[in-house]
Amino acid sequence: NAGVTQTPKFQVLKTGQSMTLQCAQDMNHEYMSWYRQDPGMGLRLIHYSVGAGITDQGEVPNGYNVSRSTTEDFPLRLLSAAPSQTSVYFCASSRQLGLPQHFGDGTRLSIL
Amino acid sequence: EDKVVQSPLSLVVHEGDTVTLNCSYEVTNFRSLLWYKQEKKAPTFLFMLTSSGIEKKSGRLSSILDKKELFSILNITATQTGDSAVYLCAVEHHASGTYKYIFGTGTRLKVLA
Repeated sequence: NAGVTQTPKFQVLKTGQSMTLQCAQDMNHEYMSWYRQDPGMGLRLIHYSVGAGITDQGEVPNGYNVSRSTTEDFPLRLLSAAPSQTSVYFCASSRQLGLPQHFGDGTRLSIL
Repeated sequence: EDKVVQSPLSLVVHEGDTVTLNCSYEVTNFRSLLWYKQEKKAPTFLFMLTSSGIEKKSGRLSSILDKKELFSILNITATQTGDSAVYLCAVEHHASGTYKYIFGTGTRLKVLA
């Protein structure tokens, strides 16, 4: 049972490039979410989804897009990377809406 | 302003000591409070608290919520080096027609052998 799997683990981008962070879960959870973690700040919610085909914005959605075509997958897209998006990104899932109980191992993203 | 504050910011103890970590909050329409342990990678879930005065316990770890005084504590007894981690507290509350989640910045615990 893999839980929540994120890829890649590390990525370096140049300003203006786009990329997709992948997230998959095998627990059949309806609720999935993306957080970013920055030094000196708590985890902040970027986007979330309460089920396939349904997504909504969190606290810091600007510069990011998401989609949820299946229950298992919830990719996060950076449209045009900016240095302010340098962060560690965590994908999470739960059986129901609320604070997550299962996190992926994170993607460390650096924007130059 | 809604906020979650954890204290202390960091703590160094010796194996066998007991530690108490604090999480205070100011939010509208509180729903739940969760504790997580974060080592090098993903936060791992420890406890979810929704009712005041009911202790949650798992081995050497325990936690309790005080909804009147708006805080929670996480206790670790007989600490081990494997308890070294950042402990995160998070609160779910309802505001402006939606559920919101606020994470504290964490308490960094180091347990020395």
